[in-house]
Amino acid sequence: SAVISQKPSRDICQRGTSLTIQCQVDSQVTMMFWYRQQPGQSLTLIATANQGSEATYESGFVIDKFPISRPNLTFSTLTVSNMSPEDSSIYLCSGATGANTEAFFGQGTRLTVV
Amino acid sequence: GENVEQHPSTLSVQEGDSAVIKCTYSDSASNYFPWYKQELGKGPQLIIDIRSNVGEKKDQRIAVTLNKTAKHFSLHITETQPEDSAVYFCAAIKAAGNKLTFGGGTRVLVKP
Repeated sequence: SAVISQKPSRDICQRGTSLTIQCQVDSQVTMMFWYRQQPGQSLTLIATANQGSEATYESGFVIDKFPISRPNLTFSTLTVSNMSPEDSSIYLCSGATGANTEAFFGQGTRLTVV
Repeated sequence: GENVEQHPSTLSVQEGDSAVIKCTYSDSASNYFPWYKQELGKGPQLIIDIRSNVGEKKDQRIAVTLNKTAKHFSLHITETQPEDSAVYFCAAIKAAGNKLTFGGGTRVLVKP
């Protein structure tokens, strides 16, 4: 399986600011996703990152709050905008080479908003 | 949409005993069911998966069973070891889909 690297691994941010998380895959993947995992909870899909077009957001997540880029088949970014303490969470990048195939994850970005 | 329920939420077992985690799903169109292990501070790692055309799959000490009729699947870990301590998540994907729906997770503690 491919290896996903996320940067930063953790950050502490002031409320009202924005943070961009980078996700780099060591091989080309068809699909990339962004998840949120609140402390002690399960993973919730934020959006599917589409190469060269706007991301597809899940219910409850909007582009203005979580803009996503995916310029090529190995790289994506997620921005958490205008942060509030409620955005404190782990953000995870995931990739898959096709539908109904193994999805692999980065190590996550632990975000704390103060 | 799909809904995946997972039980129990916590599981404590003695080293060497077996651990069983159960999941149910709601959408009969789901056909791919992976299991992930997440250790502290790390992302989820796939440990085993099963497709709807298979009833059981084994990989060393880990096995997964699937009952399509009842819409439930289970993870079995035999001869548990302290390094099996982690949070385990089940998930489901619809046929030709690409979005994972996760269960709530099971925190497994293996006591030496």
